[in-house]
Amino acid sequence: DQQVKQNSPSLSVQEGRISILNCDYTNSMFDYFLWYKKYPAEGPTFLISISSIKDKNEDGRFTVFLNKSAKHLSLHIVPSQPGDSAVYFCAASDRNQGGKLIFGQGTELSVKP
Amino acid sequence: DAGITQSPRHKVTETGTPVTLRCHQTENHRYMYWYRQDPGHGLRLIHYSYGVKDTDKGEVSDGYSVSRSKTEDFLLTLESATSSQTSVYFCAISENPVNTEAFFGQGTRLTVV
Repeated sequence: DQQVKQNSPSLSVQEGRISILNCDYTNSMFDYFLWYKKYPAEGPTFLISISSIKDKNEDGRFTVFLNKSAKHLSLHIVPSQPGDSAVYFCAASDRNQGGKLIFGQGTELSVKP
Repeated sequence: DAGITQSPRHKVTETGTPVTLRCHQTENHRYMYWYRQDPGHGLRLIHYSYGVKDTDKGEVSDGYSVSRSKTEDFLLTLESATSSQTSVYFCAISENPVNTEAFFGQGTRLTVV
């Protein structure tokens, strides 16, 4: 059973516009959420995170929103740039599961000039 | 960059042979993870470790075993490789997965023929 789901395999956005990537989860005990970015032939790199006690965290062009009642989080990128083109993964952890860190399937973002 | 090294970076092996992948860290992080990345499945957790000699299964642990005899090394063994284990394998490390990010290695591309 997939505990973290990214239902959109791909997303295409025009440069300068907003990119919104979505992630749903099923385990209500998750208490820390992260977004990672991955380029081909490289390991994933950390982008931004949010604790379950917050509903928003912002870092430059990147903002993560958490809606605990809906078990949903989203990553907003404003403005989108061609260099943002990559695969984005959301991940979640539960302090009661001994540090297990679960990832979604990923969304491939393409930002067109 | 976090001090995390995976070896080998590429390997081709025959069906039925044992294979061991190594993850080495210089950060003294407590938690270490092995993931596999496959198209359409994202990053799936194979096994993880929350300390020396403390390991647990992830989502796709069948056919894999791990060992962690030292803080810095986490070994992933395919007891008898199968073609379904052809994948890109990533190791990750974390100081505390419930409030800090995990760092990833560059990956190992394994092909089982």
